[in-house]
Amino acid sequence: GAVVSQHPSRVICKSGTSVKIECRSLDFQATTMFWYRQFPKQSLMLMATSNEGSKATYEQGVEKDKFLINHASLTLSTLTVTSAHPEDSSFYICSARLAGGNTGELFFGEGSRLTVL
Amino acid sequence: DAKTTQPNSMESNEEEPVHLPCNHSTISGTDYIHWYRQLPSQGPEYVIHGLTSNVNNRMASLAIAEDRKSSTLILHRATLRDAAVYYCILRDGRSNFGNEKLTFGTGTRLTIIP
Repeated sequence: GAVVSQHPSRVICKSGTSVKIECRSLDFQATTMFWYRQFPKQSLMLMATSNEGSKATYEQGVEKDKFLINHASLTLSTLTVTSAHPEDSSFYICSARLAGGNTGELFFGEGSRLTVL
Repeated sequence: DAKTTQPNSMESNEEEPVHLPCNHSTISGTDYIHWYRQLPSQGPEYVIHGLTSNVNNRMASLAIAEDRKSSTLILHRATLRDAAVYYCILRDGRSNFGNEKLTFGTGTRLTIIP
């Protein structure tokens, strides 16, 4: 099946710094990618929908100036957590669907665990 | 979004079949029923999806009630690697495939007993 890869898988940073997480579709093109956040023992919460070549669409309550999303190509979307704070520590997961695909299947990355000290 | 209801947790013995229920009484005629699972510290993985008819694939079977208000994911022979959180999700089939999103509920945590 199609593969979505995230990097880094784990990152630890100091409070106030910015962290970039990459999401790549390795063997297919994805016009749309989705970014989720998951706190321990909780379900996935959709943060934003990332569209190639245009601005991301953020879910209610998600600060677009804090979570910067760039989808510059059909195989890469990035999430930058700016001025990170301990409450931003979470498991960040991206997903993508085949461009033009109609199977309904979403492919998920392996996740990136962010710890802010 | 139409809501789904699943038991918080279930246990099953290894090498036995597992039936994971999902209620979706407010499902609309264009909603697809999707199942994903999430192993510990990993991203979710697609399992199966259907609209009206029962579906089978190499991972599982999906049994959909005639009135579509409930469905059951069937793992025919559970292994220890099937221990995961299983999510039942409704997706509006009217949405553009490239831009629709999946809303995850709390899912069912499946424990496999050796």
